[in-house]
Amino acid sequence: DTAVSQTPKYLVTQMGNDKSIKCEQNLGHDTMYWYKQDSKKFLKIMFSYNNKELIINETVPNRFSPKSPDKAHLNLHINSLELGDSAVYFCASSQDGGNMNTEAFFGQGTRLTVV
Amino acid sequence: QKEVEQNSGPLSVPEGAIASLNCTYSDRGSQSFFWYRQYSGKSPELIMFIYSNGDKEDGRFTAQLNKASQYVSLLIRDSQPSDSATYLCAVNNAGNMLTFGGGTRLMVKP
Repeated sequence: DTAVSQTPKYLVTQMGNDKSIKCEQNLGHDTMYWYKQDSKKFLKIMFSYNNKELIINETVPNRFSPKSPDKAHLNLHINSLELGDSAVYFCASSQDGGNMNTEAFFGQGTRLTVV
Repeated sequence: QKEVEQNSGPLSVPEGAIASLNCTYSDRGSQSFFWYRQYSGKSPELIMFIYSNGDKEDGRFTAQLNKASQYVSLLIRDSQPSDSATYLCAVNNAGNMLTFGGGTRLMVKP
């Protein structure tokens, strides 16, 4: 069983399009995240979300929006895609245990290429 | 800006040697610290975490934390070629979010 699964694994699309990446976790975790990893391998938090609040990294453009239909899912919608959005996007989840031991489990990543 | 800094490497060590990976962080309020390993084209996977000053050992891996110096390290004993990967240091800040360093690429040569 895959703990955190995201689809698609690869996504190639044209500039200006709108696309979504789906994420599901079967770990019963309270918190889910989206990370962006650029070509230099720097892994940067985009969103943190649980059933109580959404925390947004202020550097993330508002073209990016998370949508959570339920606790096990956190999808990422991207509007008006730009070349600079090309990256690998990772979904992750963790148990909301405060500041201790909040190990994050990652999905396999979605490689987005904007042409 | 809360930052986590790592030397990007590559750090090259011979097989069987000790690899030492270092990380510094800027937020003194950070509570817990994680080391993730990421193979090329794969997702990060947790190696170990530490939240108390001192050393924590798990098999060939030892994490060291010094909160006064805002410094955390990972030692890998008896390095193997299969340890070749990028090692990501992560810090848990307020808001239950992990902030990652840029990673150190480790190469273990046979």
